[in-house]
Amino acid sequence: GENVEQHPSTLSVQEGDSAVIKCTYSDSASNYFPWYKQELGKRPQLIIDIRSNVGEKKDQRIAVTLNKTAKHFSLHITETQPEDSAVYFCAASFFIGNQFYFGTGTSLTVIP
Amino acid sequence: GAGVSQSPRYKVAKRGQDVALRCDPISGHVSLFWYQQALGQGPEFLTYFQNEAQLDKSGLPSDRFFAERPEGSVSTLKIQRTQQEDSAVYLCASSLGYGGDEQFFGPGTRLTVL
Repeated sequence: GENVEQHPSTLSVQEGDSAVIKCTYSDSASNYFPWYKQELGKRPQLIIDIRSNVGEKKDQRIAVTLNKTAKHFSLHITETQPEDSAVYFCAASFFIGNQFYFGTGTSLTVIP
Repeated sequence: GAGVSQSPRYKVAKRGQDVALRCDPISGHVSLFWYQQALGQGPEFLTYFQNEAQLDKSGLPSDRFFAERPEGSVSTLKIQRTQQEDSAVYLCASSLGYGGDEQFFGPGTRLTVL
């Protein structure tokens, strides 16, 4: 099956700086890559996703890039704010079968 | 509209007890997933339904785990003879279509087995 690795496991940045979280996947058949934000004790919520036919996608301060050849994708958060503090999970999925394979998470702390 | 709901939110069981966890997906969503999330880890897949059909149960850790979705809507995850290693948050998610789209998660059920 698919194996998703995520780095770093913890990340601290100063408010206003950028944060980058990286994930790699093993199965070239994966074609959908969502990113979820999970605040303590809350449900995971989708913040951005990308499909394999696109190299980059941006939504305000959040962007995701995908390199299919290298099998890695990254989350970029610019102008970080304290409310960005949470655990972020990347995931990979095949179209058929549809289960998500999650990374181990990155705990992001934005220091005011 | 209403999101995915789960009940109970918290469950404490004595080792050996049976438990049943309920998931109410978003109305009209075809696909339903159960995940297990251990402390400090990412969710791990347990099982997947498309309408009432259980298409994949490869993630269920043992035959003590059983899931059903008899009418293609509400789903129940049952764990028999609970053990301490079953302690985790159990997340349910639903998605509108048949593949490759956003999954909406419920708040989870935190199961603690003493």
